[in-house]
Amino acid sequence: EPEVTQTPSHQVTQMGQEVILRCVPISNHLYFYWYRQILGQKVEFLVSFYNNEISEKSEIFDDQFSVERPDGSNFTLKIRSTKLEDSAMYFCASRRKGSVTEQYFGPGTRLTVT
Amino acid sequence: AQKITQTQPGMFVQEKEAVTLDCTYDTSDPSYGLFWYKQPSSGEMIFLIYQGSYDQQNATEGRYSLNFQKARKSANLVISASQLGDSAMYFCANSNDYKLSFGAGTTVTVRA
Repeated sequence: EPEVTQTPSHQVTQMGQEVILRCVPISNHLYFYWYRQILGQKVEFLVSFYNNEISEKSEIFDDQFSVERPDGSNFTLKIRSTKLEDSAMYFCASRRKGSVTEQYFGPGTRLTVT
Repeated sequence: AQKITQTQPGMFVQEKEAVTLDCTYDTSDPSYGLFWYKQPSSGEMIFLIYQGSYDQQNATEGRYSLNFQKARKSANLVISASQLGDSAMYFCANSNDYKLSFGAGTTVTVRA
């Protein structure tokens, strides 16, 4: 069964450093998402991406964040200058065009900023 | 704005018994979807069940069923015949323009 994959599973970085989180969505999916979950809290929407552009972003997704689909398979989230409060689990998700029934989530990347 | 409320931070259930997890939502959209996800201690988000706002019947998926009461804006998840492997955090979510808004979650602990 096809699945969303994410790398790395865990990333430790120092405050102020840039990080890139990588996701490979399911191959025939067209809509891509990033969500964030701070430890012990609920999952929060960050950004949605379709047709090579951002379709919606939340207040959390400020100028320090960017997303890119550099090739036909990868979908990346970049944090330019990490802060302590960026420490969280980051989930990538994807869905088919027209599908309302399910977003497929990746296993997540746990980002720790020290 | 979408708002999902899960009022039960934690629940205990005996193995083989059923458990109901509460979820209420607030939306002004005429068309929406409601989802439940399971998050075990390993951290991944596992899709369990979906209910569309225009679906006439309550959704069921194996041991999971969704008690959808549209007028009350509630979408409770029922897990029947609980198993030890059901111990996890459970999140209710609402879709708005396909992005998901999640509740705070309910931790379920199944006792042998």
